[in-house]
Amino acid sequence: GNSVTQMEGPVTLSEEAFLTINCTYTATGYPSLFWYVQYPGEGLQLLLKATKADDKGSNKGFEATYRKETTSFHLEKGSVQVSDSAVYFCALSDQTGGKLIFGQGTELSVKP
Amino acid sequence: NAGVMQNPRHLVRRRGQEARLRCSPMKGHSHVYWYRQLPEEGLKFMVYLQKENIIDESGMPKERFSAEFPKEGPSILRIQQVVRGDSAAYFCASSPEGNEQFFGPGTRLTVL
Repeated sequence: GNSVTQMEGPVTLSEEAFLTINCTYTATGYPSLFWYVQYPGEGLQLLLKATKADDKGSNKGFEATYRKETTSFHLEKGSVQVSDSAVYFCALSDQTGGKLIFGQGTELSVKP
Repeated sequence: NAGVMQNPRHLVRRRGQEARLRCSPMKGHSHVYWYRQLPEEGLKFMVYLQKENIIDESGMPKERFSAEFPKEGPSILRIQQVVRGDSAAYFCASSPEGNEQFFGPGTRLTVL
């Protein structure tokens, strides 16, 4: 079945460091891919998405490129801030309007 | 446009009681999804509903759990005879149509 695997956390970085959170997926066909962010005590917010191979999603300095050849959708940011501390979830949807399948989440902690 | 509303935000039940979780989708959204987040885990899909119809319940436990989305009013996730293993955060998401789902803040259920 379809699945998403993320790098384990927690990830601890200093402010202004470069961030990469790895995400790989298994799916038949051509799923849509997403990154969601969850701040403490809150629900999930969509951070960015990509719907086809080689698409790059970007938002708030975060980027991820849909790589079909490596079945990956790694999240990157050039310079993290303390306010980026949160849990990040990679997810896929294998059909329009269908359920999301999530990775286990990666906790990011950014220290001043 | 108000976001997805969930209530209560926190719910405490004793073993054997019933839990009712409510979700009001965003205005104009007719698709509702329920997800469960167990401690230290990612979100797991439970059920997908449109008005008065269950579209996909492949993630729902076979017993004690039910969901509805009536023509009028919020979507309800009902858990009968709760057990300690039901303690989790339950998130609702809504969508107008298509891929993007907007999440509510969640209901944190604690079973004593």
